[in-house]
Amino acid sequence: EPEVTQTPSHQVTQMGQEVILRCVPISNHLYFYWYRQILGQKVEFLVSFYNNEISEKSEIFDDQFSVERPDGSNFTLKIRSTKLEDSAMYFCASSEGLGENTEAFFGQGTRLTVV
Amino acid sequence: AQKVTQAQTEISVVEKEDVTLDCVYETRDTTYYLFWYKQPPSGELVFLIRRNSFDEQNEISGRYSWNFQKSTSSFNFTITASQVVDSAVYFCALKVYGANSKLTFGKGITLSVRP
Repeated sequence: EPEVTQTPSHQVTQMGQEVILRCVPISNHLYFYWYRQILGQKVEFLVSFYNNEISEKSEIFDDQFSVERPDGSNFTLKIRSTKLEDSAMYFCASSEGLGENTEAFFGQGTRLTVV
Repeated sequence: AQKVTQAQTEISVVEKEDVTLDCVYETRDTTYYLFWYKQPPSGELVFLIRRNSFDEQNEISGRYSWNFQKSTSSFNFTITASQVVDSAVYFCALKVYGANSKLTFGKGITLSVRP
């Protein structure tokens, strides 16, 4: 069964360093998302991406964040200068589209720890 | 703006008991979708069900059933004859019509099923 894959599963980084979280969405999906979940809290929307551009972003997604689909299969989230409060589980998701195919399928997540 | 409320935070039951997880939502949109996701201890988000706002038919899938009532803006989830493997955090989520619209999650309910 097709699935969303994320790498790495766990990343530890020093405060101020740049990190890139990688995702391979399901191949026929057109809509891509990043969400994050701070430990023990609810899942929060970061950004949605369609047709090679950002469709919507939350207030969390400030100038330190960027997304890219560099090669038609990968979908990346970059955090330019990490802060302690960026520590969270980051989920990539993809969906096929409208109507009956609107559900988002999530990857297994990347646990980011900023020290 | 959309809002999803899961008033229960933690539920503990003994195996084989039935358990109902409550979800109440708010939206001004007339077309929307409701979802339940399961997050087992391993951390991934597993899609369970999608319900369209125009389809109030209840659904049963094995031990799982869902009760959607527009009149009370609720989308409750019942597990019949619970099993230890049902132990997880369960999230209710809402998405308004639009191919790349975001999911708004509730805070989640931690279900513990004891042997």
